[in-house]
Amino acid sequence: QVQLVESGGGVVQPGRSLRLSCAASGFTFSSYAIHWVRQAPGKGLEWVAVISYDGSSKYYADSVKGRFTISRDNSKNTLYLQMNSLRVEDTAVYYCATGTIMGTDYWGQGTLVTVSS
Amino acid sequence: QSALTQPPSASGSPGQSVTISCTGTISDVGGYNYVSWYQQHTGRAPQLMIYEVTKRPSGVPDRFSGSKSGNTASLTVSGLQAEDEADYYCSSYAGSSSLVFGGGTKLTVL
Repeated sequence: QVQLVESGGGVVQPGRSLRLSCAASGFTFSSYAIHWVRQAPGKGLEWVAVISYDGSSKYYADSVKGRFTISRDNSKNTLYLQMNSLRVEDTAVYYCATGTIMGTDYWGQGTLVTVSS
Repeated sequence: QSALTQPPSASGSPGQSVTISCTGTISDVGGYNYVSWYQQHTGRAPQLMIYEVTKRPSGVPDRFSGSKSGNTASLTVSGLQAEDEADYYCSSYAGSSSLVFGGGTKLTVL
């Protein structure tokens, strides 16, 4: 069955960096676009970024553009999110989700990122 | 990339039907047939319930249905059950390879 497992979350100071990973199994990883979506504590869902099946196209929400970088390693069935210049408002549970550029289907369980001094 | 508008709450008694709306613009909901609905129980990851406006993934009960008229999409839950109590989010493709989500609706089964 489809499984997505996020890791790499934790507590980090404002201005610092963090890299999240999303390990995939149970499907042909290299055939699907993958999204990052986040959810601040007690808040709604916010789309963060998407990468095409082959990594050639990447798109970002305005709120993270220039600070976050999405990438993937299809040989390792793994998605990444490099987060630089972190802000308090980036505090959230970060989910990876499979799908197409136009939408998502399976989601991981998420990893919590807390940006605090 | 403004969020889609959902009512903050909805409720119904067991066996009843409830409809949750999701209003966007011609740039998202009204412009594409790529509206999805997600169910999220407390402390859990979102689960896809409806995609491409009306389609149900395998395993989702047919009590859940979706529709769209103009810039507003709707999720209807028929024959409400206690386990349907959760937060529901809509999302839409918004062009330029981006997605936009609604603010979420807390569904209470009375």
